[in-house]
Amino acid sequence: GAVVSQHPSWVICKSGTSVKIECRSLDFQATTMFWYRQFPKQSLMLMATSNEGSKATYEQGVEKDKFLINHASLTLSTLTVTSAHPEDSSFYICSALYLREYDGYTFGSGTRLTVV
Amino acid sequence: AQTVTQSQPEMSVQEAETVTLSCTYDTSESDYYLFWYKQPPSRQMILVIRQEAYKQQNATENRFSVNFQKAAKSFSLKISDSQLGDAAMYFCAYRSARGAQKLVFGQGTRLTINP
Repeated sequence: GAVVSQHPSWVICKSGTSVKIECRSLDFQATTMFWYRQFPKQSLMLMATSNEGSKATYEQGVEKDKFLINHASLTLSTLTVTSAHPEDSSFYICSALYLREYDGYTFGSGTRLTVV
Repeated sequence: AQTVTQSQPEMSVQEAETVTLSCTYDTSESDYYLFWYKQPPSRQMILVIRQEAYKQQNATENRFSVNFQKAAKSFSLKISDSQLGDAAMYFCAYRSARGAQKLVFGQGTRLTINP
């Protein structure tokens, strides 16, 4: 249980275009989701926290207009990288908070974005 | 703000031996959760073990156990009988028990298992 499906697993886009990454909770309702960015051989950097039905909370230094996050339903959160540039190339991971006998987190498998 | 520090960028251990990964954290809170996550080459994040700060007993999960020293703000992970499949990046993470539910990750330790 508590599976999060993230798509696509990899994407290549041209500079200046936008790309959307989806994160779906398959067997539970995810009221809160998190989006991370991970550079090679580095840790996960939290970009934003999204709550269903409300605006995302962005971490300091993350451009809200470049990284658009939508959490319109209890099972789907999306990250759209707008006007992508090569420096946006990275590995993006979503995570969902789920409640069992204790608070837990489940992670998507990640999306490798390459902007050319 | 809370911070998590993993001072060992890389560690290696012989198969079947025991290895300990270090983690320290800084917080002014008394109630929180600590986690160890494993990220293998597939890059899928996998929960290894979890500890509630109010529990004095150290968490254990099969070959994985922690040494939680609340006063010292230390949370080390011990892997016993290391297996080749344990090779991965290991991240220590902190989460406040109140307020923001986000995880704060350490820098990670890359663990290599030598056959």
